[in-house]
Amino acid sequence: DADVTQTPRNRITKTGKRIMLECSQTKGHDRMYWYRQDPGLGLRLIYYSFDVKDINKGEISDGYSVSRQAQAKFSLSLESAIPNQTALYFCATSDLREGPWNEQFFGPGTRLTVL
Amino acid sequence: EDQVTQSPEALRLQEGESSSLNCSYTVSGLRGLFWYRQDPGKGPEFLFTLYSAGEEKEKERLKATLTKKESFLHITAPKPEDSATYLCAVTGNYGGSQGNLIFGKGTKLSVKP
Repeated sequence: DADVTQTPRNRITKTGKRIMLECSQTKGHDRMYWYRQDPGLGLRLIYYSFDVKDINKGEISDGYSVSRQAQAKFSLSLESAIPNQTALYFCATSDLREGPWNEQFFGPGTRLTVL
Repeated sequence: EDQVTQSPEALRLQEGESSSLNCSYTVSGLRGLFWYRQDPGKGPEFLFTLYSAGEEKEKERLKATLTKKESFLHITAPKPEDSATYLCAVTGNYGGSQGNLIFGKGTKLSVKP
């Protein structure tokens, strides 16, 4: 089984709808991240969480919110989806026990289309 | 401003034709440089971490090196299955967000048989 899973894998929705993307991990890592990837722009950080009680905004948090329900679960919500939020969304984790400056491990991604 | 620039944007090689990908970075207090491989529609797959200038890491046909300003990913005798986008990322001392990664836009590698 995959260490980092994301649901759904694909989602088509309409402008104005509320959408939730979910991420679960079995790696036992403390840190979790949400990124979006757009052609030509690379990966950009939306939100990150260093533990259940710690939530931080990333580079592009406007229009998004997150919830860290447990160490293993981190959800991303689009309160009112708009077409320019069409992108690939990735969840990632890293292990604080290995030090703060170590690699992140990515999930398979969610392809979101907002019409 | 902290940033990562990868070149070339795209690279086409014949099978067996060795080459290198470049990652130039500007970061306040480099703490780590990371290479990832990404196949279309999939999540980035971790390859290497380099922490200090002079460090080298190898995995099969790939070898990553690091200087104070850039990193190279050398591909020796590539095969078609090495075709992918290769991403470079750095982390450094950014105030309260230590450990967050700054990504380059990637190099898309195509290896033809």
